[in-house]
This record gives sequence, structure tokens and C-alpha cells, in this order.
Amino acid sequence: GQSLEQPSEVTAVEGAIVQINCTYQTSGFYGLSWYQQHDGGAPTFLSYNALDGLEETGRFSSFLSRSDSYGYLLLQELQMKDSASYFCAFTIIGAGNTPLVFGKGTRLSVIA
Amino acid sequence: SAVISQKPSRDICQRGTSLTIQCQVDSQVTMMFWYRQQPGQSLTLIATANQGSEATYESGFVIDKFPISRPNLTFSTLTVSNMSPEDSSIYLCSVMLQTFSGNTIYFGEGSWLTVV
Repeated sequence: GQSLEQPSEVTAVEGAIVQINCTYQTSGFYGLSWYQQHDGGAPTFLSYNALDGLEETGRFSSFLSRSDSYGYLLLQELQMKDSASYFCAFTIIGAGNTPLVFGKGTRLSVIA
Repeated sequence: SAVISQKPSRDICQRGTSLTIQCQVDSQVTMMFWYRQQPGQSLTLIATANQGSEATYESGFVIDKFPISRPNLTFSTLTVSNMSPEDSSIYLCSVMLQTFSGNTIYFGEGSWLTVV
């Protein structure tokens, strides 16, 4: 079957670094994406990894290890506005109608 | 990225009625997708809508309940038919774009439906 596992909740202190892990199970894996969703808002795209390694975009970085079926989102210099839900999602080759399968999301709370 | 506009942004609907959500994209896109996010839950794909062909529905979703139109490469509609309180959700239109790092999916602002 297809599934993604990520922690349901994470709490971190403002200014700190937090890592949100995501493990997945599927065949025909194509790439791993991360989305941020604030309460009352729609998901916004953060990053995408098709190849192993680290992708950096400002304070956010995303990592993928295809051999381990594992990825993570790293948030540095945490700010209060980073409090949101973060979803990992994978894309499957050849699945046609299933471009993204989402994890259940990790609720990040940034505290002072 | 793309600018994806959805209407209505919010609505309160009576049980048994139907509502059509519109999605407008500022560029031509081949693949458009409709997702549902029930309160406190993750996103679930309802269907894929490609221009010129019938929408393809995921398991658990049927055309009679969620008819979709895709008349051109910039527009799509999703109708939620014969609504019940269980249909209270965010409905999200999304498009797939080719980016430097690969195919990326972007979402509209969502349509927040409450069925009473």
C-alpha cells in the first residue's frame, strides 16, 4: 500500500531549529514535497525533492533519502509565524490520477 | 508559480442542496486536481480534471456526487451535490506546473463549505 508517516505534533522554541521527519511506503516513488498550512489558510508549497540530498530555500531545507524511504523538513531560526501544519506528500510514477498522496500533517507550535 | 482563484471562498449551505465551486488559473495548465480537506484532516484527492476528457475519480468519490467540468485549460468547476453535514470541508483546486526542480503542485485559496 501507500502511506506516509510523520509526527502529529512538534513544539519548538523561537529561534531554534526543528526537524520534521517523514517516512513513506509506496512503489514507483517519484518525489517528495512539503507544504505549509496555517490555520484558516490553504496549503502552500515549500519544497520538492526528486533526488537524494538536501534542498535549501532560505530558512527551510528539505532532505530526501530514497534508499531509506525517508525525508525531513528542517526549519531554522524559528519564528512565531512558522506555527502551522506541515504536510509531506509524495508523487508516484505512472499512477496517473494520484499526483500527490499526503501525510496526515505535523502541527508545529513555536513558543517564546 | 500560478495564481489560482477559487469562488466562493466560503459558504454555508443547506442540507440537500448543491454548490458549484469555480477555479480559475492565470495560465494554461494541462492537469488540474480537486482535493478535499475535512476538519483537522489531511488532503484527499477527489479527482483529476484534464481538458477535453472526463474527470477521473479516486476511490470513494463518484461523478454523481462530485460532477466536474473542465471546459478549457484555465478553468474548472466542482459541484458538491445533495450536500450533507459530512461534506463540510475545504475544497481545494490545484494545478501541476513544470518547475526547475520537477513537477510541482500549487493550490488555490480553497473553498470552505459548511453544511447545516
